[in-house]
Amino acid sequence: GDSVTQMEGPVTLSEEAFLTINCTYTATGYPSLFWYVQYPGEGLQLLLKATKADDKGSNKGFEATYRKETTSFHLEKGSVQVSDSAVYFCALRYGGSQGNLIFGKGTKLSVKP
Amino acid sequence: EPEVTQTPSHQVTQMGQEVILRCVPISNHLYFYWYRQILGQKVEFLVSFYNNEISEKSEIFDDQFSVERPDGSNFTLKIRSTKLEDSAMYFCASQVGALNQYFGPGTRLTVL
Repeated sequence: GDSVTQMEGPVTLSEEAFLTINCTYTATGYPSLFWYVQYPGEGLQLLLKATKADDKGSNKGFEATYRKETTSFHLEKGSVQVSDSAVYFCALRYGGSQGNLIFGKGTKLSVKP
Repeated sequence: EPEVTQTPSHQVTQMGQEVILRCVPISNHLYFYWYRQILGQKVEFLVSFYNNEISEKSEIFDDQFSVERPDGSNFTLKIRSTKLEDSAMYFCASQVGALNQYFGPGTRLTVL
């Protein structure tokens, strides 16, 4: 069945370091892909998304490109801040625009000053 | 900005007891979802709800689970007889049209 695999955490970086969180997926058809972020004590918030191959989603300095050939949607940021410390979830959606999301396990990011 | 709220934030219960987890979706949203995350595992879909009926459910959502929209604003998840393995963080989400799902902060359920 459809699934999402993302890199194990936790990830600890210094401020201004480059961030990559790997995400690969297995899906039939052509799902939409998402990154959600969860800050401490809060719900999951949509960070960015891409709905078709080669689309790049971007928000708040984060980027991810939908790569059909490698079935990947890696999250990147050029210079992380302490405020980026959170748990990041990669997800896919099938079954149309009201379909449920299939999530990865989440990757905890800690950014040190 | 409108947000999805969930109560309680933490629920502790004894095995075999019934629990009701409550969610207040964003007011103009029409599609509602419950997900859960067992500690250290993936966020898993439980059920989706639209037009006062279940539209999809996962194999996790067995006869012990039920959902209800009792009064047009709340959206509840009931577990009739809790088991130890029901201990998890439960997330509610809502959506309008083809737009994004908005998630609540979650309820941590601990079954002793």
